[in-house]
Amino acid sequence: QSALTQPASVSGSPGQSITISCTGTSSDVGTYNLVSWYQQHPDKAPKLMIYEASKRPSGVSDRFSGSKSGNTASLTISGLQAEDEADYYCCSYAGGSTLWVFGGGTKLTVL
Amino acid sequence: QVQLQESGPGLVKPSQTLSLTCTVSGGSIRGGGYYWSWIRQPAGKGLEWIGRIYISGSTNYNPSLGSRVTISLDTSKNQFSLRLTSVTAADTAVYYCARVSGSGSGYDYWGPGALVTVSS
Repeated sequence: QSALTQPASVSGSPGQSITISCTGTSSDVGTYNLVSWYQQHPDKAPKLMIYEASKRPSGVSDRFSGSKSGNTASLTISGLQAEDEADYYCCSYAGGSTLWVFGGGTKLTVL
Repeated sequence: QVQLQESGPGLVKPSQTLSLTCTVSGGSIRGGGYYWSWIRQPAGKGLEWIGRIYISGSTNYNPSLGSRVTISLDTSKNQFSLRLTSVTAADTAVYYCARVSGSGSGYDYWGPGALVTVSS
């Protein structure tokens, strides 16, 4: 069982927007703004899409945005494209002994 | 452009030790400001943080792995390594090395991953 909870799957049609939630606790997401999101295509390494809950690394499309409220972080992808079909993982700093925790991943299907 | 590359045996027998090395190019581990980390992913499953090391040699490990895990640095070769002892089939996974900034701003560079299978 993963430390952060994500929906197993989401889907949307090209051009639509989808949001993936990531629910943690007051010990991780709720306390630290150090939430990041990763996109992973099959047999590829994860790619950083969002860091510090809402910041985009250079080179990442502005169709990707992040937010956080309380113990829940969210990733929104607008203007869905076929290339967005992938697994998405959230990650949060948790302090304590297990410094970093991941969500179980969400499979995005572009219909 | 920083690049990371994992290397090591792809097959390890149960009860033996898994050893992987991550070679960093395009940047120096000595530069500071970053934690060098290991993360793994069993087939069809999610990501699990294994541990990290700083240039000072300071380390942090996932307590779920207990005392089985050790991460070390070799600055002369611009490499860092993972040792996982007493492996079982549950340790079969793709192992990634990755970099995260000291401020915790996400894992920005990853190696392509190395599949390690634990089997006799």
